[in-house]
Amino acid sequence: DAGITQSPRHKVTETGTPVTLRCHQTENHRYMYWYRQDPGHGLRLIHYSYGVKDTDKGEVSDGYSVSRSKTEDFLLTLESATSSQTSVYFCAIRDRRQGYEQYFGPGTRLTVT
Amino acid sequence: ELKVEQNPLFLSMQEGKNYTIYCNYSTTSDRLYWYRQDPGKSLESLFVLLSNGAVKQEGRLMASLDTKARLSTLHITAAVHDLSATYFCAVDIMVVASGTYKYIFGTGTRLKVLA
Repeated sequence: DAGITQSPRHKVTETGTPVTLRCHQTENHRYMYWYRQDPGHGLRLIHYSYGVKDTDKGEVSDGYSVSRSKTEDFLLTLESATSSQTSVYFCAIRDRRQGYEQYFGPGTRLTVT
Repeated sequence: ELKVEQNPLFLSMQEGKNYTIYCNYSTTSDRLYWYRQDPGKSLESLFVLLSNGAVKQEGRLMASLDTKARLSTLHITAAVHDLSATYFCAVDIMVVASGTYKYIFGTGTRLKVLA
């Protein structure tokens, strides 16, 4: 357990509204990642961060932005939610002490109506 | 394009039988990971394979890595119902332009073990 929490755990929102998901870690890991999981697609990387204020895009970054102003928090924002962004979102950290293994948060189920 | 392919995508097997899940990847990587996911849950780490020829075993599951063939296998011995889950492999790659690291996941193998 790498002390990763996500909030909210469930959210229903309307198309066009902004949404922010939060990932919080307690063990000072440098890298943090946001993924979305959809049936038939496995996990797809949205954005990742390799330090405070250092972020990069993943394979499905369109429509998403991120921010990391503190080591422990990585925020994912949907500026104007669309139905195609209905998904389960997972946050993860990279643990260099354990063979660079990833540990995942519990997930956030987002429904955009 | 970087790809991680798993096969089969779905696997239904009888208890007591053996089977192997395959994970092929298209890029150079010496680090490969296997995860398990139960329905409605997050991903749980199973194995970390860090070099060519690495083999790890835990209970009825054994994972191996051949970096030359860009292939990892997850072998199931004498399957039991509790192994029913979705299994993912993932590779750790360096983004050359930035010197940072990210992971590419396979699409998963959904395993159902029938009693």
